[in-house]
Amino acid sequence: EVQLVESGGGLVQPGGSLRLSCAASGFMFTTYWMHWVRQAPGKGLEWVANIKQDGSEIYYVDSVKGRFTISRDNAKNSLYLQMNSLRAEDTAVYYCARALGGPGGYWGQGTLVTVSS
Amino acid sequence: QSVLTQPPSVSAAPGQKITISCSGSSSNIGSTSVFWYQQLPGTAPKLLIYDNNKRPSGIPDRFSGSKSGTSATLGITGLQTGDEADYYCGAWDNSLTAVVFGGGTKLTVL
Repeated sequence: EVQLVESGGGLVQPGGSLRLSCAASGFMFTTYWMHWVRQAPGKGLEWVANIKQDGSEIYYVDSVKGRFTISRDNAKNSLYLQMNSLRAEDTAVYYCARALGGPGGYWGQGTLVTVSS
Repeated sequence: QSVLTQPPSVSAAPGQKITISCSGSSSNIGSTSVFWYQQLPGTAPKLLIYDNNKRPSGIPDRFSGSKSGTSATLGITGLQTGDEADYYCGAWDNSLTAVVFGGGTKLTVL
């Protein structure tokens, strides 16, 4: 069974940092592009970043460039999102997703990040 | 302001059919493949359509996708109350080098 399990969310003050993790199982992790997508409370979906199978290509949405870093550890079947200099507008549920626009598109259940003082 | 434009809401009676439009530009829908997700209340999005018109295994043929130029359309026939959800279109944007989504369309089955 395909599973993507996010962790690491929580409450953080503006300017603070968090590291999200996504544990993948039930499929060959090394064969998929992986993505982070977020959804602010009551709002639509916003793509955050993605990373190629071997980590050789990485892309970010403009609003997080220079603050967030996506990475993966294929030996541990894990995806990460290091988030620094967090702002109130980063408050959202963060989803880990594989193959966003392909036949294997699948999302985890998400982890909530709240940026507030 | 989303890069892809969807109507905020659509409604129809059970058994009817609806379409949801998704309008983009030459840098996204006009040159890349479109996908569609369904998000039921309180759950993670689920893939409905990829590569403009292909359905993953397990998605009923009541759901269909099409693309023409810089616009795409999701169609749902034989509406059921269980189809009440938010629907999102998405595509890769070659100019932004980013995945872009529509703002979402809330489907109400009356």
